[in-house]
Amino acid sequence: DSGVTQTPKHLITATGQRVTLRCSPRSGDLSVYWYQQSLDQGLQFLIQYYNGEERAKGNILERFSAQQFPDLHSELNLSSLELGDSALYFCASSVGTSGGVQETQYFGPGTRLLVL
Amino acid sequence: AQTVTQSQPEMSVQEAETVTLSCTYDTSESNYYLFWYKQPPSRQMILVIRQEAYKQQNATENRFSVNFQKAAKSFSLKISDSQLGDTAMYFCAFMKPLLYSGAGSYQLTFGKGTKLSVIP
Repeated sequence: DSGVTQTPKHLITATGQRVTLRCSPRSGDLSVYWYQQSLDQGLQFLIQYYNGEERAKGNILERFSAQQFPDLHSELNLSSLELGDSALYFCASSVGTSGGVQETQYFGPGTRLLVL
Repeated sequence: AQTVTQSQPEMSVQEAETVTLSCTYDTSESNYYLFWYKQPPSRQMILVIRQEAYKQQNATENRFSVNFQKAAKSFSLKISDSQLGDTAMYFCAFMKPLLYSGAGSYQLTFGKGTKLSVIP
């Protein structure tokens, strides 16, 4: 158990809909990262938050957004869903302040999204 | 941009034998970190081992060790005494810290993965 929790584990929805994925980082971690794992694109970095502020963006679509709340949990919002958004979405967390190998990321169990 | 290449899409090994998974990466940076993550059928991403680029000594974690060749930009994973529970996808990942004042961004760049099957 990494200490990172994600809900829900599975999500089935229809095209055009909007969903919210939730992540709670390990106790004491300030940074949260979101990754998407799909068959064709592999594992891709989407976005990072550090202590409530957006820190870095990767290959995140404009239809997707995220935020990190004062209690440090994070939510990834996916809107106007398309079939191609079906994937496994991971959240990972790290300390965020110490630098170096201490920034090793620990992953949650993922949310499997299926868009029909 | 950094790229990570895992040239072996699939491998198999007999139980109790040793197997080596390959990984190469491309970067112009001198300060970076390398990781191997394991993804079993449960889909959980589990850290296996990590290596700091400035350390010449190869990292070791129990049955798992790496062969880090910085000049060749190679980072292979050796699994000794393979066990059935080692059956999984293995991902090599590169991390280059992007430092901002107060904190950094340490996003990971992953390879495509190697599917390892341990045969009884």
